[in-house]
This record gives sequence, structure tokens and C-alpha cells, in this order.
Amino acid sequence: KQEVTQIPAALSVPEGENLVLNCSFTDSAIYNLQWFRQDPGKGLTSLLLIQSSQREQTSGRLNASLDKSSGRSTLYIAASQPGDSATYLCAVPIIAGGTSYGKLTFGQGTILTVHP
Amino acid sequence: DTAVSQTPKYLVTQMGNDKSIKCEQNLGHDTMYWYKQDSKKFLKIMFSYNNKELIINETVPNRFSPKSPDKAHLNLHINSLELGDSAVYFCASSHYNRNSPLHFGNGTRLTVT
Repeated sequence: KQEVTQIPAALSVPEGENLVLNCSFTDSAIYNLQWFRQDPGKGLTSLLLIQSSQREQTSGRLNASLDKSSGRSTLYIAASQPGDSATYLCAVPIIAGGTSYGKLTFGQGTILTVHP
Repeated sequence: DTAVSQTPKYLVTQMGNDKSIKCEQNLGHDTMYWYKQDSKKFLKIMFSYNNKELIINETVPNRFSPKSPDKAHLNLHINSLELGDSAVYFCASSHYNRNSPLHFGNGTRLTVT
């Protein structure tokens, strides 16, 4: 059974710092990994999707890496801003006969607070 | 706005009642999902429909019945509500391919008293 763990559970940093969020998964038979952001009272916003054939994906100040063999992904946030404060979740697909796209196992998230 | 929208945003009801949550997407996706986020913020898939056909049905009590009248809509009906059903229910959608990211609605916070 796939298990996804995110470390740290919470992180508080001053504005302007570069930071790294970690995600680990137990079953490396995945075809992608997604990073989401969840704001209080809101839904999840997809940030980055890394396919298993890729090592990195970048979007603005965000960079996500994937190492399938070691079961790890990191989300790097450069020059953090108060607006980055949110819960960040990673998720991997549950592979069941290759037909259950969108069936994801989520980590429990890292609560990020960026203070001015 | 292009989005996944679900109603209502909040739902407070008593045990034993029946309630429905509605979801609509205008992203042109052919697959829709219901996820449940419990009090510990743990997200778990409940159901998925592709082109109105049920393709994922997790171990969910049969008091929960999804319905998809067309590929842009997915509703969730819950019978005989119990205290343990209190959670945030998220609708999501995607294209039916392995590398299509999921787009989520803003959630419906269900409180059963």
C-alpha cells in the first residue's frame, strides 16, 4: 500500500528565505507526482506535475524535483513571500490496472507560514 | 470563469437527514471525482466518473450515492447522515489520461449534528 509522508509538518520562515518542502513515498511504481497548494477554506490548486520520466519541473519561483528510485520529491520555493503561506500537499497516483487515473494518495501536507 | 464549482459551500444538518452536494466543471474535462478530507486534513478518494460511467468506487458506505447526469456534472447524495460523515467534500476534474493534473473545487464543509 502506497504511503506518502511530508516533512516538516509545519514551517515558519521570514519573508525572502528560500525553502524546501519534502515528500517521500513508499512505492516507486508511479507515473507522476503532483504538488498542490491549499489555502484555508479553499480547494486545492495544482502547482506542478512531474512525470516519472522527468527530474524537475519549474513554475516561476517554484521548482519540484523527483527521484523515483529513492521515493522522494522536493518542492523548492525561492524568495518566499507572505502570499506563499498555505498548506502544501504532494500526491502520487494509486496504480490499479492502469485504468484509475486521478486516484491519488496524498501526504498530510506541510503548513507553511511566511511572515513579513 | 473556468472552474470547478460546487454547492453548497457549507451544509449543517442533523443526523438521519438526506442531503446532496452538486458539482459542475466547465474545463472540458471528461472525468470527475469526489474526495473527502477528514478532520485531520487527510484527503481520500471516494468516487470517480469518466463520461458518466463510474470507474472508481472506494470502500464507501452505500449511503453515499454519486450521480453523473453528464460529463460536466457530478453530484453526491448522502442518505441517513451520521456524525462521522462530517468532513469537507471536494469535487475535482481532469482529462482521462495519466498525466492530467486534477482541478479541485473549493469544497463543501458538511457538519452533522
